Amino acid sequence: DIQMTQSPSSLSASVGDRVTVTCRAGQNIATYLNWYQQKPGKAPKLLIYAASTLQSGVPSRFSGSTSGTDFTLTISGLQPEDVASYYCQQSYRVPYTFGQGTKLEIK
Amino acid sequence: EVQLVESGGGLVQPGGSLRLSCSASGFTFSSYAMHWVRQAPGKGLEYVSAISSNGGSTYYADSVKGRFTISRDNSKNTLYLQMSSLRAEDTAVYYCVKSVRYSNYFDYWGQGTLVTVSS
Repeated sequence: DIQMTQSPSSLSASVGDRVTVTCRAGQNIATYLNWYQQKPGKAPKLLIYAASTLQSGVPSRFSGSTSGTDFTLTISGLQPEDVASYYCQQSYRVPYTFGQGTKLEIK
Repeated sequence: EVQLVESGGGLVQPGGSLRLSCSASGFTFSSYAMHWVRQAPGKGLEYVSAISSNGGSTYYADSVKGRFTISRDNSKNTLYLQMSSLRAEDTAVYYCVKSVRYSNYFDYWGQGTLVTVSS
């Protein structure tokens, strides 16, 4: 199985801050990396696929990037509605493993 | 509009069985692989099982292999997860998920159904 190591596990930031979450794949996964947002009590929602492609309807303050097996989710200008948990996932090979998640809170 | 609606969750005793269903609409169900993902209370997402579009290929996580069976009825647009020999650690919200072809990312999720294994 491909291991996905996500950090940090939690973070607190202020409205307007730039926030980054990182995810490292245990092997080459090309750009088969996706990011999901999960708000409390809700199902996860796709934010970014193929490492950097924004899903339709997702605000442009969300972006994704890659460098080798390291992937980054960036929120440029944190908003109160961004309070959620964020998960990376590789879709290169079954099982499509998830990172451990990052819980984002507002200071 | 794509909709995935799970049902069948509930309270079951250890060692018991349960069958989850996921009714799909708004897309050509028979053209897409489908998946089950679960989330234990307060925990992260765990990939459980997958089935190809025609049902000919399946995958199970080691944690459920030999106890869970995934299946689909393309004539009824329905995905199933038959769970047996249930354990306390199977307690979770179970999500039915649709993936896209080739890139395999999960574009639609159901609302989830809670399975509680307890005596």
